[in-house]
Amino acid sequence: DVKVTQSSRYLVKRTGEKVFLECVQDMDHENMFWYRQDPGLGLRLIYFSYDVKMKEKGDIPEGYSVSREKKERFSLILESASTNQTSMYLCASSSRPALLAGLVYGYTFGSGTRLTVV
Amino acid sequence: QKEVEQDPGPLSVPEGAIVSLNCTYSNSAFQYFMWYRQYSRKGPELLMYTYSSGNKEDGRFTAQVDKSSKYISLFIRDSQPSDSATYLCAMIQGSRLTFGEGTQLTVNP
Repeated sequence: DVKVTQSSRYLVKRTGEKVFLECVQDMDHENMFWYRQDPGLGLRLIYFSYDVKMKEKGDIPEGYSVSREKKERFSLILESASTNQTSMYLCASSSRPALLAGLVYGYTFGSGTRLTVV
Repeated sequence: QKEVEQDPGPLSVPEGAIVSLNCTYSNSAFQYFMWYRQYSRKGPELLMYTYSSGNKEDGRFTAQVDKSSKYISLFIRDSQPSDSATYLCAMIQGSRLTFGEGTQLTVNP
């Protein structure tokens, strides 16, 4: 069974801490994504990566950075955690291209990391 | 203005009811339209996708797209308690998905 695995299910961190959220996929997907999910706001794209060592800003990159040193691993970094970064963080991956010959390769999501910053 | 708008709900229906979930969008460049289902404490999973205007059926689920009105719907027939989840519409442009905010559905036995 193919999977996207997020290292932590629940995480509590203090304001100002540097936080690492790890995501690993075993599907040899080129694309990887980090979203945050908040009530009333839905899923918002933070960063994505089309290839190793490549990264692109999403819609809300401020306060975050990412690292992709290996194809299967995509890390989200909160440089200095703040309380407004309390959220559910979802990692996803997809093959490239996402559209091929009329077939849609949907994103495969991890189960999420619920981060609380106190 | 958000590119994708979705009725947030929550929606509560009795078992066996027909459920209608809806999204509107503003970006004409969206190519494919998808519905994801998210159970509590889980990540979203792809339920259905469609490309052209019209209906696509899969068991009890029907996805409907009206490109002229920029409106998509998901219908669930004979709803079951196991359908209780958050449903998210999503739209593709290139390799990038844009999601609606999700509708929380509860089907009561």
